[in-house]
Parts: sequence; structure tokens; C-alpha cells
Amino acid sequence: EAGVVQSPRYKIIEKKQPVAFWCNPISGHNTLYWYRQNLGQGPELLIRYENEEAVDDSQLPKDRFSAERLKGVDSTLKIQPAELGDSAVYLCASSSGRIYSTDTQYFGPGTRLTVL
Amino acid sequence: DAKTTQPNSMESNEEEPVHLPCNHSTISGTDYIHWYRQLPSQGPEYVIHGLTSNVNNRMASLAIAEDRKSSTLILHRATLRDAAVYYCILGSGYSTLTFGKGTMLLVSP
Repeated sequence: EAGVVQSPRYKIIEKKQPVAFWCNPISGHNTLYWYRQNLGQGPELLIRYENEEAVDDSQLPKDRFSAERLKGVDSTLKIQPAELGDSAVYLCASSSGRIYSTDTQYFGPGTRLTVL
Repeated sequence: DAKTTQPNSMESNEEEPVHLPCNHSTISGTDYIHWYRQLPSQGPEYVIHGLTSNVNNRMASLAIAEDRKSSTLILHRATLRDAAVYYCILGSGYSTLTFGKGTMLLVSP
């Protein structure tokens, strides 16, 4: 079974440039998550989708970050414009159900973003 | 959100058992205890979870204190591939998981 796929794996951009990350979740998983992980810290949730609907985007910096999950499958996370502080690993995860307390999340390998 | 407390790091020798502690004194009755681990340059992966009773799977065992205010992840025989950051997380109902800094496990040959 294929896992969560993310691309690109690495991205280096200059500040003020736009950047986009792509995620393909495990087939059949309705819930999709985007996390940001700063060096030495645990992942922090940015947004959670239930099918096409963003059900929790309270931690997404909406002035520069946007996300979409068209057709309830693939998802794209965009930053425009990028700032130096956005340098981090961006992780995508998916899970099958709605009961998050017992719902196992499967993570992709992440995209390491460096903003110069 | 109920929080967990874990040591920043622990060391072990290969093929020895490892006991990773987690304190969660403010746990609520509906909180499940989850453990994930993150190997270098990879995303986190699920290890185990439980509510009240001890749990075993092919990766590890989870021992939960009777008052549920603490738990211990047990790796029965550590290997070099077990070197990772281990996260202890509480999850309840429809709430998503909140990761802390975790415990970095170092395994020596």
C-alpha cells in the first residue's frame, strides 16, 4: 500500500517568493492534515480537512498561507509571500475516520523549506 | 488541552529494554494516550495507543498507571533503528493530536 506522498522533498527560495507544496494522501482516507515542524520542535497543526471541507484552520496564518483540497483527495499548501521565519519542514498526514482520539495518522516524509 | 511531560532525551544500549516515561497528571477520563515516533528525516509514525489497560503490539508495549496520570512506552529490545524522537500525546474525542517536543532516544551499539 502506498503511503502519503509529498512533493517536493526540498525547496529553497528567496524571501517574498511564493511556494507551494503538494500532498497525495493514502487512498480512501477522508481526513488530511498539514503540519509545520520547526527545528527541535514537534509538528504543529496548520489545517485539517474532512473531505473537501477545512474543519480546523485556526492555526493557519491566513494573511500569507492558503490551502485547498479539491475533490477531497490531493491537497496543496501555498505560502505567498514567504518570509524567513517560514523555514521549516511541512508535513502532510492522512487518516481514515473522524474520531481523532483513536484515529491513526499516517505521515508523509515532509517538505523541507529554506527561505533565504 | 491536557499536556504531557517527557524527558528531553534518554540513552540505551542495543538489545536492552527501554522504558520511556510520560507524565500526564491532568488527563481527562476520555483522553487516549498515543505514542508516535519520528526517525531522522522522516515524518512521525504511529507506535501504539491505549485508554486504561496495558497494550501490546509488534512494535512496543504501553503500560498505563492505574490512576492514568502516567504511562510508559516499553521497547523490549532496542535496536539502532529505534533511535528517534518519541512523542507521548493525549487525544480526546474529535480533538486533533497536539505534539510536544518528545524524548530523543539515543541507542548505542
